[in-house]
Amino acid sequence: AQKITQTQPGMFVQEKEAVTLDCTYDTSDPSYGLFWYKQPSSGEMIFLIYQGSYDQQNATEGRYSLNFQKARKSANLVISASQLGDSAMYFCAMRTSRDDKIIFGKGTRLHILP
Amino acid sequence: DAGVIQSPRHEVTEMGQEVTLRCKPISGHDYLFWYRQTMMRGLELLIYFNNNVPIDDSGMPEDRFSAKMPNASFSTLKIQPSEPRDSAVYFCASSLTGFRGGDTQYFGPGTRLTVL
Repeated sequence: AQKITQTQPGMFVQEKEAVTLDCTYDTSDPSYGLFWYKQPSSGEMIFLIYQGSYDQQNATEGRYSLNFQKARKSANLVISASQLGDSAMYFCAMRTSRDDKIIFGKGTRLHILP
Repeated sequence: DAGVIQSPRHEVTEMGQEVTLRCKPISGHDYLFWYRQTMMRGLELLIYFNNNVPIDDSGMPEDRFSAKMPNASFSTLKIQPSEPRDSAVYFCASSLTGFRGGDTQYFGPGTRLTVL
């Protein structure tokens, strides 16, 4: 079965520190893609970063990077130099070649402290 | 480029009434997805379309829910009759291609539905 697990329901981090949000996944499909979305208190879902299962390098987008460890089936999101505006809910998600659906984890609520 | 557009942004209705949520995907996107988000159940996929054809509606909770996509630029999600437990945020998302395109889904702002 395909599954996304986010074990941290909530995190508190001091401003300007780096943050790692954990995500593990389970699939038997060798071809898949991993996503991270941010949902601020305003409610919209904002795409952050994407990693394909065959990508050789970890994906990066500005302050966001995805620490992809294929053997461990983990796809942690790293936010460097956190800012107050990073306070939000973060969702890890996966899409496989089996179909075109994305399945989401339960999310991690991140609080950045001034 | 305009993103995914949803209307209304907020809807308050009484139990038993019909509710229609609307979505305009990003132009040129072939895939459209409807999600429901609640505190208890998180983000659930209800149904998705490819080239206006429903592909998987296994997430539609009951016969009270129906979705249509009459053309490439418009989709509706209808609940009839509505019940208080349908209260949630409903998101529409679209993507350019399916998985083989390595493409992501872009979400609309959501419709917050409250059924009294």
